[in-house]
Amino acid sequence: EPEVTQTPSHQVTQMGQEVILRCVPISNHLYFYWYRQILGQKVEFLVSFYNNEISEKSEIFDDQFSVERPDGSNFTLKIRSTKLEDSAMYFCASKSGAGVPSAHNEQFFGPGTRLTVL
Amino acid sequence: QQQVKQSPQSLIVQKGGISIINCAYENTAFDYFPWYQQFPGKGPALLIAIRPDVSEKKEGRFTISFNKSAKQFSLHIMDSQPGDSATYFCAARHSGNTPLVFGKGTRLSVIA
Repeated sequence: EPEVTQTPSHQVTQMGQEVILRCVPISNHLYFYWYRQILGQKVEFLVSFYNNEISEKSEIFDDQFSVERPDGSNFTLKIRSTKLEDSAMYFCASKSGAGVPSAHNEQFFGPGTRLTVL
Repeated sequence: QQQVKQSPQSLIVQKGGISIINCAYENTAFDYFPWYQQFPGKGPALLIAIRPDVSEKKEGRFTISFNKSAKQFSLHIMDSQPGDSATYFCAARHSGNTPLVFGKGTRLSVIA
């Protein structure tokens, strides 16, 4: 069964450093998302991406964040200068497209990257 | 307006019992309501979902009840098993490809 994959599974970095989190969405999917989950809290939306551009972003997704789809398979989240409060689990998700059947509505989540900022 | 409120925060149920988790929303533009199951160290996985044109959807031991007028929906897990122990998130979104808005999660423990 196709799945979303993410690397690395755990990233430890020093405050102020840049990190790149990588995702490989399901191959025929068109819509891509990043969410984050601070330990013990709810999953929060960061950004969505379609047709090589950002389609929606939350107030969390400030100028320190950027996303890119550098080739036909990878989808990356970059944090330019990490802060302590960026420590969280980051989930990538992908979706095939809008409309019915209902399978098209489902966002499939990857296993996440745990980011620890020291 | 964008919030989805979920309760309880944690739940302990005896094996074989019924687990019930409740969610409420404010935004009437939401039209898709999924429930996700998350095991420690894993990403959320879709469990079951409902649209507001039906009041109930059942898949195996899992049932969503939906009350459009009250803007509430709930997950019922019948014959709860220890393997059901996980964190459950309700979520909602508008139509199309908009992002999901998640509830805060319920940590379910099913004890033998």
